[in-house]
Amino acid sequence: RKEVEQDPGPFNVPEGATVAFNCTYSNSASQSFFWYRQDCRKEPKLLMSVYSSGNEDGRFTAQLNRASQYISLLIRDSKLSDSATYLCVVRDQKVTFGTGTKLQVIP
Amino acid sequence: EPEVTQTPSHQVTQMGQEVILRCVPISNHLYFYWYRQILGQKVEFLVSFYNNEISEKSEIFDDQFSVERPDGSNFTLKIRSTKLEDSAMYFCASSYRTGENEQFFGPGTRLTVL
Repeated sequence: RKEVEQDPGPFNVPEGATVAFNCTYSNSASQSFFWYRQDCRKEPKLLMSVYSSGNEDGRFTAQLNRASQYISLLIRDSKLSDSATYLCVVRDQKVTFGTGTKLQVIP
Repeated sequence: EPEVTQTPSHQVTQMGQEVILRCVPISNHLYFYWYRQILGQKVEFLVSFYNNEISEKSEIFDDQFSVERPDGSNFTLKIRSTKLEDSAMYFCASSYRTGENEQFFGPGTRLTVL
């Protein structure tokens, strides 16, 4: 099993749609979880940390399921500007990035 | 808004040459990191640095790589003898604390080894 695994996509969704991404991780001792966003040929930028109780920031909701070792990101009311690659990041002894899930929001 | 800066934005070098990639982390940050991203692949952790020493490093960070904080502001990554497979985008990042604390990434240096 890969350390951090994501469906690479692409997910092509119309504006206004709700889209969800999952990410699985292999190390049950992982301590911290994040979603980053990366635009083409740009640096990753933190979207949100993921807490055990789940957390929401505007249109974005992140969930952590430690028992099944996955985290999720839900984007509601998709905007064109949400088009990017979404990176799942897991920290145990080191920081491990997933390969990313590409989202394309279509007008 | 404070930001991480990196120079140069693009470095072209011949195989076997040494390169130094430079980063200026955010001024009150204490933890510094280097990552690389080969075109079309995932971001890979190279090394973290705290209190003037390496705190963690990955298998990629072999003897060809070294990091240094030569003064109070710069954080450098040196590759002693570049190989073709070192061609990648190199990102520097910094954070105030470790763990859950957000890492702020610089814009990256694109290294091309010919």
